[in-house]
Amino acid sequence: KAGVTQTPRYLIKTRGQQVTLSCSPISGHRSVSWYQQTPGQGLQFLFEYFSETQRNKGNFPGRFSGRQFSNSRSEMNVSTLELGDSALYLCASSPDSRLFTDTQYFGPGTRLTVL
Amino acid sequence: DQQVKQNSPSLSVQEGRISILNCDYTNSMFDYFLWYKKYPAEGPTFLISISSIKDKNEDGRFTVFLNKSAKHLSLHIVPSQPGDSAVYFCAAKYMKTSYDKVIFGPGTSLSVIP
Repeated sequence: KAGVTQTPRYLIKTRGQQVTLSCSPISGHRSVSWYQQTPGQGLQFLFEYFSETQRNKGNFPGRFSGRQFSNSRSEMNVSTLELGDSALYLCASSPDSRLFTDTQYFGPGTRLTVL
Repeated sequence: DQQVKQNSPSLSVQEGRISILNCDYTNSMFDYFLWYKKYPAEGPTFLISISSIKDKNEDGRFTVFLNKSAKHLSLHIVPSQPGDSAVYFCAAKYMKTSYDKVIFGPGTSLSVIP
């Protein structure tokens, strides 16, 4: 099976702009989660989508949003970019994250730089 | 408030010796723990996990120990190999009635010196 793919891999934006990142999960996986990784902070949970519905949300401002399509592909959007949004954004998929022993499979991430 | 802590940002170990990576958590509701390994320019990959009903789980060179009373878990790598050099994330999971999510620690960067 193909792994989780994320596009684009690298992105440079300026403050105030908005950005959309894309994630294609492993075939058959219905749960997609997004994380932000910054140095010293580890992986911070953004949100999780399952069957086109946001099932879970982390503590990020409303500028961060996402959606999931019927084919389980997911996008996340960040509006009004700030310098602090520079990070590696990781997408992870799993069959169903509510399964107790379910593990997530991560994509390579999108490196976002905000100037 | 960081619910999963990895207090050592980095660790250096000689090839062939044991690597011990530590993780502490604060939420006693966590009932499943995972370790992920991450190489530069790649996403994290699942390494090993342990349920809260166990105190040890072993998979080849990797063993995870869980001490629930101390809210502490550790990952042992024996023997350590240069290819083990990576960032290791400890993660914890708990089921709630309405949602579940995985909480990650900040990571420990392991360097295995040949």
